Amino acid sequence: DAGITQSPRHKVTETGTPVTLRCHQTENHRYMYWYRQDPGHGLRLIHYSYGVKDTDKGEVSDGYSVSRSKTEDFLLTLESATSSQTSVYFCAISESRGERNSPLHFGNGTRLTVT
Amino acid sequence: AQKVTQAQTEISVVEKEDVTLDCVYETRDTTYYLFWYKQPPSGELVFLIRRNSFDEQNEISGRYSWNFQKSTSSFNFTITASQVVDSAVYFCALSEAIKAAGNKLTFGGGTRVLVKP
Repeated sequence: DAGITQSPRHKVTETGTPVTLRCHQTENHRYMYWYRQDPGHGLRLIHYSYGVKDTDKGEVSDGYSVSRSKTEDFLLTLESATSSQTSVYFCAISESRGERNSPLHFGNGTRLTVT
Repeated sequence: AQKVTQAQTEISVVEKEDVTLDCVYETRDTTYYLFWYKQPPSGELVFLIRRNSFDEQNEISGRYSWNFQKSTSSFNFTITASQVVDSAVYFCALSEAIKAAGNKLTFGGGTRVLVKP
């Protein structure tokens, strides 16, 4: 199994509160990703990182920010949580060596409920 | 923009039946990569297979087989002689280049397979 740990695994929070999800890897991979999974939508990319302090937006980035201060950690922050952000969040890593054929390896997910 | 469509949202079969999952993709890239993932009821995402666009040979791995047809932009997945343990959600995904020579995956909506004993 890829060494990816997501924390917390479950969280319930109230609308309007800030929330930070953490992803920690032990593989020293360059690329890290945050996806959200919702019924009927599969997995959609929120943000990704291609190095320390190097991040970019995905297709559903509104309302989310990320930070990567160390290779092993990638944080996802919801500045002011809304009910539409209730979802399962997956972190993924990839070693990608420039051929675009690298699979992503996923963590076990964080189930977030915004009430 | 790239797109992956899995038209079947749920398939129910009886054990030992074969089941085929459809995946249709859209891309402007001439070289691209396709993936299948499995998500069992426990929730983790498991990488199953990767296929590049310039290799149209079908692939078989045990009871799993994949049929890639570039002419119809499809990458279908067949489970032969299904078992209860095959019950899961299956995702098809398409790779796309990102900054610094990396890649990201665009996923289809998934197909839930229920295998009944």
